[in-house]
Amino acid sequence: DAGVTQSPTHLIKTRGQHVTLRCSPISGHKSVSWYQQVLGQGPQFIFQYYEKEERGRGNFPDRFSARQFPNYSSELNVNALLLGDSALYLCASRLRGAAGNTIYFGEGSWLTVV
Amino acid sequence: DQQVKQNSPSLSVQEGRISILNCDYTNSMFDYFLWYKKYPAEGPTFLISISSIKDKNEDGRFTVFLNKSAKHLSLHIVPSQPGDSAVYFCAAKSGNTPLVFGKGTRLSVIA
Repeated sequence: DAGVTQSPTHLIKTRGQHVTLRCSPISGHKSVSWYQQVLGQGPQFIFQYYEKEERGRGNFPDRFSARQFPNYSSELNVNALLLGDSALYLCASRLRGAAGNTIYFGEGSWLTVV
Repeated sequence: DQQVKQNSPSLSVQEGRISILNCDYTNSMFDYFLWYKKYPAEGPTFLISISSIKDKNEDGRFTVFLNKSAKHLSLHIVPSQPGDSAVYFCAAKSGNTPLVFGKGTRLSVIA
């Protein structure tokens, strides 16, 4: 069975540009979350989606947005990129409810802003 | 204000010995705790978890202990193997809330 898949795996963008990162959850998982990890830190929560609705948002500026599609895949969009947005962006999926306490991560998308 | 703390940035252990990674938390509402292992250039891999209603969970060489009164959990790896060398993250959540991570501990297992 496929795990959480993310694309692209690596990308380089220029300051001010826009980026879209994509994620497909594990089959059967309806909840998708996005996390940002910078070097030396643990992953920081950005967004959580369940059944195509935003269920939580972390402390990130409005330049960050996301959405979930009917097939439960998700996109993370970041506008007006800053150098500080350079990080590993992780997508995670889980079942909802008591059976869904374990959260599985994808390999991540490495974003470098120059 | 860090709700999940891993106070040891790094740990070195000889192959075959026990590795003990520690994690402290401040939020008493956390009811589920997870450990993830991360290699460079990869996403975190789920390792083991524990519910707040338990004080121990074991899976092969990995055991997680939870001390709720002290708001402390630890991951024991016995015996440690060179392939265990990675960064280990402790994470916690409450219900369906997002995971809150510590900063990680880099484990080096020396052959």
